[in-house]
Amino acid sequence: DIQMTQSPSTLSASVGDRVTITCRASQSISSWLAWYQQKPGKAPKLLIYKASSLESGVPSRFSGSGSGTEFTLTISSLQPDDFATYYCQQYNSYTRTFGQGTKVEIK
Amino acid sequence: EVQLVESGGGLVQPGGSLRVSCAASGFTFSSYEMNWVRQAPGKGLEWVSYISSSGTTIYYADSVKGRFTISRDNAKNSLYLQMNSLRAEDTAVYYCARDGSTVTTFNWFDPWGQGTLVTVSS
Repeated sequence: DIQMTQSPSTLSASVGDRVTITCRASQSISSWLAWYQQKPGKAPKLLIYKASSLESGVPSRFSGSGSGTEFTLTISSLQPDDFATYYCQQYNSYTRTFGQGTKVEIK
Repeated sequence: EVQLVESGGGLVQPGGSLRVSCAASGFTFSSYEMNWVRQAPGKGLEWVSYISSSGTTIYYADSVKGRFTISRDNAKNSLYLQMNSLRAEDTAVYYCARDGSTVTTFNWFDPWGQGTLVTVSS
């Protein structure tokens, strides 16, 4: 199975900061990568698919980039509503796998 | 509105069985591939199982293979996960999640249900 590794595991930031989360795949997954946001007690919410396509209704401060094995999720100016845990997911095969998550905390 | 609603979670003893369900509405259920994803308390997301739109193609994570069975009833717009030989490590919130597209072979998940908690404990 394809392994997904996110970094960092935890990130402390302030409102207005630019935030970048990295996700690495154990083998090439082309652009078959999604990013999700999850808040405590809630289901994950899709932010980005196909590495860089912004889901409808998601604020434009979120962006994704990368291909092959290295990907990034960037929040251009962190807002209070953005403090949450973020997961990457590869969908290069039927056995889809997630990264371990990155918790974005208030600094 | 596209909606997925899980039910059937609860407390079960180790070695026991439980079936969780997911009721779909707001879209043509029979056209979409579906998945189960779980999340142990305080842990990350783990994909559990996939079923094709017709139900003929099925995949499982190694951690549940041989113990869990995914199925669907397109006439009832429902997805199921039969869980047998349950272990403490199966304790988790179980989410159903729809494939995000009917066009491509492999897809992201969107939307997700609200989840149902399964607790395996004596």
